Amino acid sequence: GAVVSQHPSWVICKSGTSVKIECRSLDFQATTMFWYRQFPKQSLMLMATSNEGSKATYEQGVEKDKFLINHASLTLSTLTVTSAHPEDSSFYICSADDPNTEAFFGQGTRLTVV
Amino acid sequence: KQEVTQIPAALSVPEGENLVLNCSFTDSAIYNLQWFRQDPGKGLTSLLLIQSSQREQTSGRLNASLDKSSGRSTLYIAASQPGDSATYLCAGHIGWGKFQFGAGTQVVVTP
Repeated sequence: GAVVSQHPSWVICKSGTSVKIECRSLDFQATTMFWYRQFPKQSLMLMATSNEGSKATYEQGVEKDKFLINHASLTLSTLTVTSAHPEDSSFYICSADDPNTEAFFGQGTRLTVV
Repeated sequence: KQEVTQIPAALSVPEGENLVLNCSFTDSAIYNLQWFRQDPGKGLTSLLLIQSSQREQTSGRLNASLDKSSGRSTLYIAASQPGDSATYLCAGHIGWGKFQFGAGTQVVVTP
């Protein structure tokens, strides 16, 4: 089946630095990808919709200047957490729809900001 | 706005018992309903997808039902095993690639 690959699977960074997370669709083209965030013991919440070749669409309450999304090709979307702070520590996961089947999720990225 | 609720939040059963996990959603206008499994610190594994026109799906020991009119879905896991221990998430597919997730049911199956 279709696979969505996310990298890295975990990252620890210092407060104030930026972290980039990649999401790739391996065997299908995805004009749209989605980024979710999951805090401990909570559900996954949609952060933003990544659109190939155009600006991302952010959900209410998500800071677009803090969470930069770039979707430069049909198989790659990146999420950059800028000037990370401890409260940004979370589990970030991307998804993409294979038009022929269903949505697939990446493995997720555990971000810890110290 | 679609809201998805899962009950119970946690469940512990001895090996061999059947599991019943409940999911309710407020807006029946969903494309499909999907059940996922999430192991600690890991991503999502899709278990079953029920299209809005279907009433149930089965895969091995897993069976999921969908009643759109009442806004409910139930995941049944027969003859539970310790390897079934995980968090189970239900999600309503509310648009192209967009999901509304429940908070999950954390399942522990004891040997």
